[in-house]
Amino acid sequence: AQSVTQLGSHVSVSEGALVLLRCNYSSSVPPYLFWYVQYPNQGLQLLLKYTSAATLVKGINGFEAEFKKSETSFHLTKPSAHMSDAAEYFCAVRTNTGGFKTIFGAGTRLFVKA
Amino acid sequence: DTEVTQTPKHLVMGMTNKKSLKCEQHMGHRAMYWYKQKAKKPPELMFVYSYEKLSINESVPSRFSPECPNSSLLNLHLHALQPEDSALYLCASSQATGPAEKLFFGSGTQLSVL
Repeated sequence: AQSVTQLGSHVSVSEGALVLLRCNYSSSVPPYLFWYVQYPNQGLQLLLKYTSAATLVKGINGFEAEFKKSETSFHLTKPSAHMSDAAEYFCAVRTNTGGFKTIFGAGTRLFVKA
Repeated sequence: DTEVTQTPKHLVMGMTNKKSLKCEQHMGHRAMYWYKQKAKKPPELMFVYSYEKLSINESVPSRFSPECPNSSLLNLHLHALQPEDSALYLCASSQATGPAEKLFFGSGTQLSVL
């Protein structure tokens, strides 16, 4: 079954610094990969998704992610962190085991320091 | 309208109670999902409905009983729950059940079982 692994349960950056959240996938076929964000006491919201059309995917709020097949990675980046980016970020994959379903990584909590 | 609405937002119930969680979407989506999320953990899939039929049950205990009365509504009936069932219950929908589908989430019902 396809899965994703997020490296680092917590990431702390200063406001204005680069944000890098890591995600690696395990798949023998081209995967469909997603990044979702969850703010406190809310549901999840899609940031971006990869569907093989382009390796560099741009999402909302200035985030982007690059699909690297050679590294089996789909890391999320943002050039300049803002205080409002503080949230939980989940990498996810659509896997087909008896029907398509979305499986989430363990999540990375992003802290932004003033 | 791109919202998934869940009611109630908070629910406290005893182990002998019967209660229901409700979820509604008016985006014309044909797939709906229930996820369970414990604190500081990723969402875990419970059920998937596709075209109002249960397509995936992730071996959820029978004290959780899903129902999809029509294409816009999804219920989760609760009976004889245990304290370890306390969690945030998230409803989601997607346009269909293909590999590239993104999920739209509600804000969840925070359930406490006493």
